[in-house]
Amino acid sequence: GDSVTQMEGPVTLSEEAFLTINCTYTATGYPSLFWYVQYPGEGLQLLLKATKADDKGSNKGFEATYRKETTSFHLEKGSVQVSDSAVYFCVGGGNKLTFGTGTQLKVEL
Amino acid sequence: GEEVAQTPKHLVRGEGQKAKLYCAPIKGHSYVFWYQQVLKNEFKFLISFQNENVFDETGMPKERFSAKCLPNSPCSLEIQATKLEDSAVYFCASSAVSNEQFFGPGTRLTVL
Repeated sequence: GDSVTQMEGPVTLSEEAFLTINCTYTATGYPSLFWYVQYPGEGLQLLLKATKADDKGSNKGFEATYRKETTSFHLEKGSVQVSDSAVYFCVGGGNKLTFGTGTQLKVEL
Repeated sequence: GEEVAQTPKHLVRGEGQKAKLYCAPIKGHSYVFWYQQVLKNEFKFLISFQNENVFDETGMPKERFSAKCLPNSPCSLEIQATKLEDSAVYFCASSAVSNEQFFGPGTRLTVL
């Protein structure tokens, strides 16, 4: 079956540092890929998405590119803020989403 | 509505009791999905609906779990005879097309 593997956390960064959270997927075919974010005590919010190879999703300074050759969808942000502290989930699929295990990000002043 | 609504926010049940969770999808969305989040981060797909029809139920436990989406009513997820391992946050999501899902705030079920 489909699976999504993302780097384990927690990740602790200083404000304005560069962020990368790695994600790779294994699937039959080429599913849509998403990054969802879960802030403390809240539900999931869609952060960005890509529906085909070489698509780049971007939102709020975050970016991820759907790389078919490496089956990857790494999340990046050039300068993180304290307000970015949350758990980030790499997700693949269509009707039935497959979640990575989540990466907790903590950004400190 | 503009957001997926889930009720109740918290639910506490004694082992063996029934639990029923509700979800109102975003108006106009024809797909509804249920997921279970256990151990803080692990998400498991349970079931999906297209309107009132079951679309995919491959994640539903064979026993004790059932779900419905009836016209003009919130969708529901029911657990008969709850067990300790059913303790989790249950998320509902809806979508207009099948590849972008909007999640509700979740219902935290605690089985004592």
